[in-house]
Amino acid sequence: GENVEQHPSTLSVQEGDSAVIKCTYSDSASNYFPWYKQELGKRPQLIIDIRSNVGEKKDQRIAVTLNKTAKHFSLHITETQPEDSAVYFCAASSRNTGKLIFGQGTTLQVKP
Amino acid sequence: DGGITQSPKYLFRKEGQNVTLSCEQNLNHDAMYWYRQDPGQGLRLIYYSQIVNDFQKGDIAEGYSVSREKKESFPLTVTSAQKNPTAFYLCASSQTGLSEQYFGPGTRLTVT
Repeated sequence: GENVEQHPSTLSVQEGDSAVIKCTYSDSASNYFPWYKQELGKRPQLIIDIRSNVGEKKDQRIAVTLNKTAKHFSLHITETQPEDSAVYFCAASSRNTGKLIFGQGTTLQVKP
Repeated sequence: DGGITQSPKYLFRKEGQNVTLSCEQNLNHDAMYWYRQDPGQGLRLIYYSQIVNDFQKGDIAEGYSVSREKKESFPLTVTSAQKNPTAFYLCASSQTGLSEQYFGPGTRLTVT
């Protein structure tokens, strides 16, 4: 079935370093790839998304890259800050079922 | 104040009782979703609805039921058949099935 694999499951970086989270998807028809950030006890919130007609998108310290051939997309956070500590989820759209397929999540810890 | 709301924030029930979780949105979104999140886990889809009076089972529908009689409302009933109902329940909505999902604040259900 349709699947999104996310790695790593946990990531610890020093403040100021970069963090990279990677996802692969199985449905070649997927064309929408959002990333969500969930702080402890809070709701997930969209931080950036990309559609299949572009290969990269940036928003200040956050960027997402997409490789449709490899069915792979990544989240890049530069100059990490302690407030970036949270769980991050990637997702891919399923054209067959009209829903998002979520990855398992990555717990990012930024050490001051 | 526009958005998606869930009530109550915390809910306690005795084993064997059915309980209904509320989800309301005033975003005029067509699609609505229910997810379950266990500690340290990802988002698992319970049910989703892409249009009024229609809904589909997600990955873990057993022991749950939903209705979609109005566009703005998508209540979830956790029945006594659900073997392990204690969890954090998140409702979401989106304009279509292939667009950004907005999440509610969640309901934390504890069954003893």
